[in-house]
Amino acid sequence: DTEVTQTPKHLVMGMTNKKSLKCEQHMGHRAMYWYKQKAKKPPELMFVYSYEKLSINESVPSRFSPECPNSSLLNLHLHALQPEDSALYLCASSPLRGAVHEQYFGPGTRLTVT
Amino acid sequence: GEDVEQSLFLSVREGDSSVINCTYTDSSSTYLYWYKQEPGAGLQLLTYIFSNMDMKQDQRLTVLLNKKDKHLSLRIADTQTGDSAIYFCAESMGGGYNKLIFGAGTRLAVHP
Repeated sequence: DTEVTQTPKHLVMGMTNKKSLKCEQHMGHRAMYWYKQKAKKPPELMFVYSYEKLSINESVPSRFSPECPNSSLLNLHLHALQPEDSALYLCASSPLRGAVHEQYFGPGTRLTVT
Repeated sequence: GEDVEQSLFLSVREGDSSVINCTYTDSSSTYLYWYKQEPGAGLQLLTYIFSNMDMKQDQRLTVLLNKKDKHLSLRIADTQTGDSAIYFCAESMGGGYNKLIFGAGTRLAVHP
């Protein structure tokens, strides 16, 4: 099973709303990632968790707040977003054993901020 | 510095071979990856190659690596309409959590 699931698939929210994106994997991977992808662009790394601890924050604005409740789950809490935050948000996971550490991506949540 | 470059568009006829090229700058990269993204979908890992290898073949996919020129290519044999997608190459920056640097992506269009 190399599946990463993300919910919801689509989300429309106003600038004053609070919402959360969810990501789940059952591959036993101990690294999990959030990426943001704008149209016709490659994914941009936002956050990395390794062993449930935040390892990388790529200078992401505080209106994005990640959380890793356990080794299978990753959340991204959203608050007071701007229209320019509209994008496809991708979650990925990778093993931390071995040398390859290949990342497996979920299908993404398409976020529209109105 | 870290930079990965790809040509933006490739058009091929169904049944022909496709070759997607990528150049990278960081000679310390340990693994190089190819991902496929179909419209509205996430990224699918196609294959990867260790930086001390020259070639890797996996069914219709052949990856060639020229480490001296920092050039990576993905050849798709017998290209099908289902291969139409955006293909990203990525280099890993190493470390336990494997930060990836992606190229801009090559849009492959397969026509009859």
